[in-house]
Amino acid sequence: SQKIEQNSEALNIQEGKTATLTCNYTNYSPAYLQWYRQDPGRGPVFLLLIRENEKEKRKERLKVTFDTTLKQSLFHITASQPADSATYLCAPGGSSASKIIFGSGTRLSIRP
Amino acid sequence: DAGVIQSPRHEVTEMGQEVTLRCKPISGHNSLFWYRQTMMRGLELLIYFNNNVPIDDSGMPEDRFSAKMPNASFSTLKIQPSEPRDSAVYFCASSLDGRATAFFGQGTRLTVV
Repeated sequence: SQKIEQNSEALNIQEGKTATLTCNYTNYSPAYLQWYRQDPGRGPVFLLLIRENEKEKRKERLKVTFDTTLKQSLFHITASQPADSATYLCAPGGSSASKIIFGSGTRLSIRP
Repeated sequence: DAGVIQSPRHEVTEMGQEVTLRCKPISGHNSLFWYRQTMMRGLELLIYFNNNVPIDDSGMPEDRFSAKMPNASFSTLKIQPSEPRDSAVYFCASSLDGRATAFFGQGTRLTVV
């Protein structure tokens, strides 16, 4: 069955450093992969989408890579700030755009 | 647009009672999703609709759960009878067909005592 794995342990990073989160998937070949941010008590909010023919995508301090051979996506936040503290979820998507399934998320904490 | 609107925000009910959660998707979106989130199981997809038609309900835990979408602007998730293990945050999300991005509501925190 399809499986999505993210770091289950919280990631603690010093302010100013680069945070790197990992998303691994098995038993399917997604056409794209999305990253969302979730703050406590709120619903997830879309950040970035990367397609299978794209190796890398950037948005301000965020960078996402997508390696279809390794079946892995990396999510980077450069020059991290305490306001970046949140849970980050990945969602690999299939050829059908309708079904969106999420990984368990990684809680990121940026300390001043 | 006000975004995806869910009601109620919080619901506390006694075991055995019927619970109905409501969702209004973003106007023009034709895919709607119901998710359940717990610490143990993360964000689980329960069911999703496309053009008001249920496409995949394989995530619905059991027959006590049912969902409907009578029109493009309204959906309900019903639990009857409710049990303490149903306690969770339930999210509704919508998306534009052909585009993958999902927009989430603020969720309903359900507590069954």
